[in-house]
Amino acid sequence: DTEVTQTPKHLVMGMTNKKSLKCEQHMGHRAMYWYKQKAKKPPELMFVYSYEKLSINESVPSRFSPECPNSSLLNLHLHALQPEDSALYLCASSQPQAARKLFFGSGTQLSVL
Amino acid sequence: GENVEQHPSTLSVQEGDSAVIKCTYSDSASNYFPWYKQELGKGPQLIIDIRSNVGEKKDQRIAVTLNKTAKHFSLHITETQPEDSAVYFCAAAGLNYGQNFVFGPGTRLSVLP
Repeated sequence: DTEVTQTPKHLVMGMTNKKSLKCEQHMGHRAMYWYKQKAKKPPELMFVYSYEKLSINESVPSRFSPECPNSSLLNLHLHALQPEDSALYLCASSQPQAARKLFFGSGTQLSVL
Repeated sequence: GENVEQHPSTLSVQEGDSAVIKCTYSDSASNYFPWYKQELGKGPQLIIDIRSNVGEKKDQRIAVTLNKTAKHFSLHITETQPEDSAVYFCAAAGLNYGQNFVFGPGTRLSVLP
């Protein structure tokens, strides 16, 4: 099983809303990632958790707040987003060592109004 | 840092023909090169990968070749089918980049029936 499950698939929110994106994997991977992808562009790394600890934060604005409750779950809490934050948000997982197979979920298509 | 270029940006082929997408990388320390296929509305799917100690790898109709000296690697798809139509991303990774992957800008492949 190489599945990474993301919910919801689609999300529309206003700039004053608070929402959360959820991700789950059962491959025993100890690294989990959040990527942001704009249309016709490659994924851009936002955060990496290794062994449930934040290991990489690519200078992401504080209106995005990641959380890793356990080794299988990853959340991204959203607050006071801007219209330019509209994008496809992808969760991924891998073994925690460098240069390992990276598996993506199907993503959450986020629209900020 | 690492930079990955990818060509062509768009590619149209007739069903049954072969398709080749090429990527070049800049950091000779990169040692892992995956290829992803992304269909509309879905997350990137790992379709094949190669490590720097191997020159070629094949999986049914798809193959990847790596030339370490020239620092380029290519995706080959034979006997293309309409369901091969998608955006393809190459990427590079290595110890210098930890858990980060550097993606190419993508190639939109259209297989015409």
